[in-house]
Amino acid sequence: DQQVKQNSPSLSVQEGRISILNCDYTNSMFDYFLWYKKYPAEGPTFLISISSIKDKNEDGRFTVFLNKSAKHLSLHIVPSQPGDSAVYFCAAIPTYGGATNKLIFGTGTLLAVQP
Amino acid sequence: KAGVTQTPRYLIKTRGQQVTLSCSPISGHRSVSWYQQTPGQGLQFLFEYFSETQRNKGNFPGRFSGRQFSNSRSEMNVSTLELGDSALYLCASSEMRDRELFFGEGSRLTVL
Repeated sequence: DQQVKQNSPSLSVQEGRISILNCDYTNSMFDYFLWYKKYPAEGPTFLISISSIKDKNEDGRFTVFLNKSAKHLSLHIVPSQPGDSAVYFCAAIPTYGGATNKLIFGTGTLLAVQP
Repeated sequence: KAGVTQTPRYLIKTRGQQVTLSCSPISGHRSVSWYQQTPGQGLQFLFEYFSETQRNKGNFPGRFSGRQFSNSRSEMNVSTLELGDSALYLCASSEMRDRELFFGEGSRLTVL
């Protein structure tokens, strides 16, 4: 049972435009969400995160929005650059009594930014 | 500061064999976790170690095991390999169990 879903396996965007990557989750007990970027032959790289008590977090060109009622989060990249072309994974951390690094990942969305 | 180092990077095994993968975390990082990536499945959590103790385990059979040493280096072992174990195995480290993980490049295992 996939608790974190990225329903778009791929997305193509023109350079300079906005890229919007979406992620849905089914477990209301997630309290922290993260986005990772992965280039071929490399490990994932942390991009941005958001706590469940917030609805928006911004870091430079990257903004993550969280809609708890819809169990939906999205990553906006503005403006998109060719170097942003990669696979993007959203991940969630379930609520536990303590800290944990057990991330539940989505299946990823391949972003292609066209020059 | 050196990143997370995983060895070997690539390996080929046959069904029934066993394999050991190694991970050296970033210096000072005490938490190490392992993930399996297969096509269409995303990344699936295997285990998490902190201070030599397994803190969490994912939904994998007992053929998958791991350990962490006093220097925070970690190994994972898969026994009685099956074709479905072919995957990219990723190790990640962090200073504490504080969620922002630093991943290695992975060990790509092919089981024939």
